Amino acid sequence: DARVTQTPRHKVTEMGQEVTMRCQPILGHNTVFWYRQTMMQGLELLAYFRNRAPLDDSGMPKDRFSAEMPDATLATLKIQPSEPRDSAVYFCASGYLNGDTQYFGPGTRLTVL
Amino acid sequence: GNSVTQMEGPVTLSEEAFLTINCTYTATGYPSLFWYVQYPGEGLQLLLKATKADDKGSNKGFEATYRKETTSFHLEKGSVQVSDSAVYFCALSDRNRDDKIIFGKGTRLHILP
Repeated sequence: DARVTQTPRHKVTEMGQEVTMRCQPILGHNTVFWYRQTMMQGLELLAYFRNRAPLDDSGMPKDRFSAEMPDATLATLKIQPSEPRDSAVYFCASGYLNGDTQYFGPGTRLTVL
Repeated sequence: GNSVTQMEGPVTLSEEAFLTINCTYTATGYPSLFWYVQYPGEGLQLLLKATKADDKGSNKGFEATYRKETTSFHLEKGSVQVSDSAVYFCALSDRNRDDKIIFGKGTRLHILP
């Protein structure tokens, strides 16, 4: 049963520190999405990739967030420097090009003190 | 642009009650429609989908019918269980535009034993 995996599952850090979250999409999927979920804002799309190329990162604060796919099996989301308002659950999802279903990972719960 | 509106929660029902969660959409094209479910501590997972008008999606006793004339995709279940307690997201995608899925804000469902 193929699944999207995310590491770490939980991260507590102090303001100003760099945070890196990793995602392994389902093998063969060629679209990858990063979302952020908070109680106040709900589910927000931060960035998405098609065939490893970034297509839309308009949802990300550009000055501190960056998203990359160094290869087809790894997507990363970095925050530098982190701030308390970045505390949220970050989800990665993957899918097939021209498919319409996204498969979500279990999320990384980030707490910035 | 495309958007999804779903009823606000929380919705609290007794076990074996009938469930309806309303969802309406706005789209310029011919979107696919989805219901995703998020159980506590987990990522979203696809519950059901419909890809064209009058299609009915169904899974685990849940049903939703794609109504183009009323731009709606209401989720129903005849007899809910405690294990159905979760957050339910209505969503749409338009593959003619891009790979993104537009999610509603989610409806939290509590089922009392």
